[in-house]
Amino acid sequence: EAQVTQNPRYLITVTGKKLTVTCSQNMNHEYMSWYRQDPGLGLRQIYYSMNVEVTDKGDVPEGYKVSRKEKRNFPLILESPSPNQTSLYFCASTSLGTDTQYFGPGTRLTVL
Amino acid sequence: RKEVEQDPGPFNVPEGATVAFNCTYSNSASQSFFWYRQDCRKEPKLLMSVYSSGNEDGRFTAQLNRASQYISLLIRDSKLSDSATYLCVALSGGYQKVTFGTGTKLQVIP
Repeated sequence: EAQVTQNPRYLITVTGKKLTVTCSQNMNHEYMSWYRQDPGLGLRQIYYSMNVEVTDKGDVPEGYKVSRKEKRNFPLILESPSPNQTSLYFCASTSLGTDTQYFGPGTRLTVL
Repeated sequence: RKEVEQDPGPFNVPEGATVAFNCTYSNSASQSFFWYRQDCRKEPKLLMSVYSSGNEDGRFTAQLNRASQYISLLIRDSKLSDSATYLCVALSGGYQKVTFGTGTKLQVIP
């Protein structure tokens, strides 16, 4: 089954404790992206990757890191999480030149 | 001003009604437009692409007006299952910049 998976789905952590949210897709898509969704602000792009070893900042990259060592994986790293990073995070992938972005199920992160 | 603006709603409509959503965008370099549907606390899913010539898929019709920089979504004969939040999306530079609107919430009432 074609899908984007994210782990963990739910996470409660404390300020400053490094964490990684994994994202994996099995559709051989070149493009992957991370978004955060907050009430009243909608989905905002954090980072994206056009292909392996190619990453770039989106609209809200501060406080986040990403890597794309393999085509299927695009982890989101929070080196020192802060409460303002409490949000719902979505990973997405697509094949460039097509219309559909496929989203993962989301990760609900709470930073205390 | 947000790059992509939508009326947040909620739009409460009876079953069978026709409802229209509009979305305006400010970046004239935007090239591609989409409507996504998002059910509560779930991931967004593509509803339809939006073309200048219009795009129809069953009860759903999407239109793009580049001169006025807005896109629209028309839902005819609303069903209870249409209740969701509808997200307007604009792309520029391919997928280099993906901008979502904040969404319009639709509630279809029996």
